Amino acid sequence: AQKVTQAQTEISVVEKEDVTLDCVYETRDTTYYLFWYKQPPSGELVFLIRRNSFDEQNEISGRYSWNFQKSTSSFNFTITASQVVDSAVYFCALRNSNYQLIWGAGTKLIIKP
Amino acid sequence: EAGVAQSPRYKIIEKRQSVAFWCNPISGHATLYWYQQILGQGPKLLIQFQNNGVVDDSQLPKDRFSAERLKGVDSTLKIQPAKLEDSAVYLCASSFPTGGSNTEAFFGQGTRLTVV
Repeated sequence: AQKVTQAQTEISVVEKEDVTLDCVYETRDTTYYLFWYKQPPSGELVFLIRRNSFDEQNEISGRYSWNFQKSTSSFNFTITASQVVDSAVYFCALRNSNYQLIWGAGTKLIIKP
Repeated sequence: EAGVAQSPRYKIIEKRQSVAFWCNPISGHATLYWYQQILGQGPKLLIQFQNNGVVDDSQLPKDRFSAERLKGVDSTLKIQPAKLEDSAVYLCASSFPTGGSNTEAFFGQGTRLTVV
């Protein structure tokens, strides 16, 4: 079975704090892709990052960083020095061999000024 | 590059009425997806097209939902008759297959349907 678990339903932090969103996945595929999307209040899902199963290098993009660990089937997302504009629902997703996206339930991130 | 276009943005209908949503994917994107997103949940795939063929419609309630992509470009999703539990945001997404893989999916702004 393929599954994505985002155990944190909601996280609330004060602006400028660092925050990590957890994502754990299950798959038997040897080749797969993992994604993070952001969904602000406007509703549109915004692509953040794609990572394939053969590339375990961590990635940093500005204040965003991603830690992919196959050994623990995790693909965690960290926002450094959070800002109010980071407030959104964040989804982790797994793409299977049919190019279908299997979604986590999402983590609602609230950044307080 | 233009993004995925969806219309309408909002729709309110009474139960048992019919409704249709339209999606125009990013130019050149062969794969088109329709998702249903109920408030507080992740998106649920309804149907996936590759060009004008259906790849997966296993979660599409076929007694009331239908979708088509006749020319392999834009697509329509229809609900007839609507039920209260169909109230959700309907998201369209597209992606471009490259070799053995596929790019990330790009999403439209969605259509928020309220059934009363």
